Amino acid sequence: EVQLVQSGGDLVQPGGSLRLSCAASGFTFSGSALHWVRQASGKGLEWVGRIRSKANNYATAYAASVKGRFTISRDDSKNTAYLQMDSLKTEDTAVYYCTRPNAGNWFDPWGQGTLVTVSS
Amino acid sequence: EIVLTQSPGTLSLSPGERATLSCRASQSISSNYLAWYQQKPGQAPRLLIYGASSRATGIPDRFSGSGSGTDFTLTISRLEPEDFAVYSCQQYSTTPTFGQGTKVEIK
Repeated sequence: EVQLVQSGGDLVQPGGSLRLSCAASGFTFSGSALHWVRQASGKGLEWVGRIRSKANNYATAYAASVKGRFTISRDDSKNTAYLQMDSLKTEDTAVYYCTRPNAGNWFDPWGQGTLVTVSS
Repeated sequence: EIVLTQSPGTLSLSPGERATLSCRASQSISSNYLAWYQQKPGQAPRLLIYGASSRATGIPDRFSGSGSGTDFTLTISRLEPEDFAVYSCQQYSTTPTFGQGTKVEIK
C-alpha cells in the first residue's frame, strides 16, 4: 500500500522553529518528488513547496509566503522528507500535509496531516 | 499565479439529487491539468479526478469531471450519504494552486 505517515506537529511560539517529517512506504521514494500543502482552519488548501528527486538534483521550490523561512529536504536512505520551518509566524498556523505528485502534478496519496500552531 | 474560483460556496442538496460544482480559472489551464479532491472533516484530501475528466482508482462512476480552458465542472450524478463533504479543484499547469472549496451539505 502506498502510504505517507507524518509526524512533528506542535505548538510553537512566534519566531520559533519546527521540523515536520513525512515517511513514505509502498513506492520508490527515491524516484519521486514530494510536495507540502497546508490548510488553515476553515480555509482552502495552500501549496507550500516541493522537492524533486536526486535525478532532478533535489531541486526545491517554495510559495512566496514561506520562501526564505521554510526548507524542504529529504533522506532517501530513510524514505523520509522533511519540512524545516523557521521564523514562524501566527499566520503559519495550519494543518500541514505531505503528498506525492503523479505524472503531472496531481496529488495522491496524502499524509494524514499534522497540526502546527504558532501562538504565544 | 493561476487563481481558481469555485462556486457555489455551499450546495444544499438531498441524497439522490445531482450536484454540479464549478471551478473557474483566471487564465487558461493547459493540457487540462486540473484535479478535484474530496475532503471530510479531520481527513486529508482524497483524489477524485485528474486531467479534468479521468477518475482516480476506486472512485465510483457517479463522479465525473468535464471542462477545458478556464471552466471546469465536477458532477455527482446521484448523491450518496458519504458524498457530503468539501470539494476542491487544483490546477497543475503551473505552480499548483487550489480553489477555496465547495461544501456539499445535506438539505
